[in-house]
Amino acid sequence: NAGVMQNPRHLVRRRGQEARLRCSPMKGHSHVYWYRQLPEEGLKFMVYLQKENIIDESGMPKERFSAEFPKEGPSILRIQQVVRGDSAAYFCASSPQGDTDTQYFGPGTRLTVL
Amino acid sequence: TQLLEQSPQFLSIQEGENLTVYCNSSSVFSSLQWYRQEPGEGPVLLVTVVTGGEVKKLKRLTFQFGDARKDSSLHITAAQPGDTGLYLCAGPSSNDYKLSFGAGTTVTVRA
Repeated sequence: NAGVMQNPRHLVRRRGQEARLRCSPMKGHSHVYWYRQLPEEGLKFMVYLQKENIIDESGMPKERFSAEFPKEGPSILRIQQVVRGDSAAYFCASSPQGDTDTQYFGPGTRLTVL
Repeated sequence: TQLLEQSPQFLSIQEGENLTVYCNSSSVFSSLQWYRQEPGEGPVLLVTVVTGGEVKKLKRLTFQFGDARKDSSLHITAAQPGDTGLYLCAGPSSNDYKLSFGAGTTVTVRA
């Protein structure tokens, strides 16, 4: 069974460019969560999605950040006009159901903004 | 937001020694989870504790959930270099699906 897959694993962008991070959940999982890990900080919740629906985006900055989980294909976390402060590790997790179901994490995408 | 504080932030010990990592909060959690994260990888779930006072063992790792469900500890006996990593505790928010993480304890076991 393949685990949660994320790509790219490393992404370098210059200030003002766009970053697209992809997450393929584990087979059979329809719930996806995105977290951000800043240096020497814990993971912070960003957004929770089910297929074609954003359930909770309360942890996501209001500007420049968006997320989707289409009916077909991976979940996408999109950051427009990146700034240096966006440099972080972005992790995706998935679960078969929501609520208290165990979340399984992917290997993360390390975003570096020059 | 329910906050989880972990201590110590860093821990460096010799192979064969024991260590304990703490996770504390002023809030009650329905459950707490412990993860281990290696450099360049995502967190891997070690255990979930649910009942106040619960003790779970995973080989040389012992996890305890406080009676009041506000704190937890991870004890490693006879640590090995393979135990090196970032240990994170996490608990669900009132929404349940939104995990709150501690900042983590970086454990280094020297051979």
